[in-house]
Amino acid sequence: DSGVTQTPKHLITATGQRVTLRCSPRSGDLSVYWYQQSLDQGLQFLIQYYNGEERAKGNILERFSAQQFPDLHSELNLSSLELGDSALYFCASSVNDGETQYFGPGTRLLVL
Amino acid sequence: GENVEQHPSTLSVQEGDSAVIKCTYSDSASNYFPWYKQELGKRPQLIIDIRSNVGEKKDQRIAVTLNKTAKHFSLHITETQPEDSAVYFCAASRSYGNNRLAFGKGNQVVVIP
Repeated sequence: DSGVTQTPKHLITATGQRVTLRCSPRSGDLSVYWYQQSLDQGLQFLIQYYNGEERAKGNILERFSAQQFPDLHSELNLSSLELGDSALYFCASSVNDGETQYFGPGTRLLVL
Repeated sequence: GENVEQHPSTLSVQEGDSAVIKCTYSDSASNYFPWYKQELGKRPQLIIDIRSNVGEKKDQRIAVTLNKTAKHFSLHITETQPEDSAVYFCAASRSYGNNRLAFGKGNQVVVIP
């Protein structure tokens, strides 16, 4: 157990819908990262927050957005969902930039 | 920013043999190099890491070596077992500036019983 929690574990929804994925970082970690992993693909970095502020953006679609709250948990919002958005979404956290990232168990999203 | 590449993309080894995965990085200022193991459908887990002030680190059957001059680092798994079958990701970061961990695309290791 990495100490990073994600909810829900599984999510099944329809095209066009909107979902919210939630992540709680390890105690004391200020950075939260979101990754998308499609079948047989690597880890696609989406976005990073540090202590409530957006720190870096990767290959995140405009239909996706995220935020980090004062208690440091983070939410990833996915809207106007398409079939191709079906993937594993991982959250990771670290104490600071450049340090070890600890991954949560992931949310498996299936868009039908 | 940092660019990390892994070779080979897939590696098959006989149980009991050794496996070596190599990563190259582009940023000479990178000084932290972790390796993650991801089993099917599970989260990536840190298995070993190395910092640039050492050339090698070992933990039981796994070891990581670092060549700063050539800008590459390798994961060595000895006496491979079926449970070593997984995808392995390497990563690199620096301690200042744009220092988010940059991940390689991953290597699929298959241990054949």
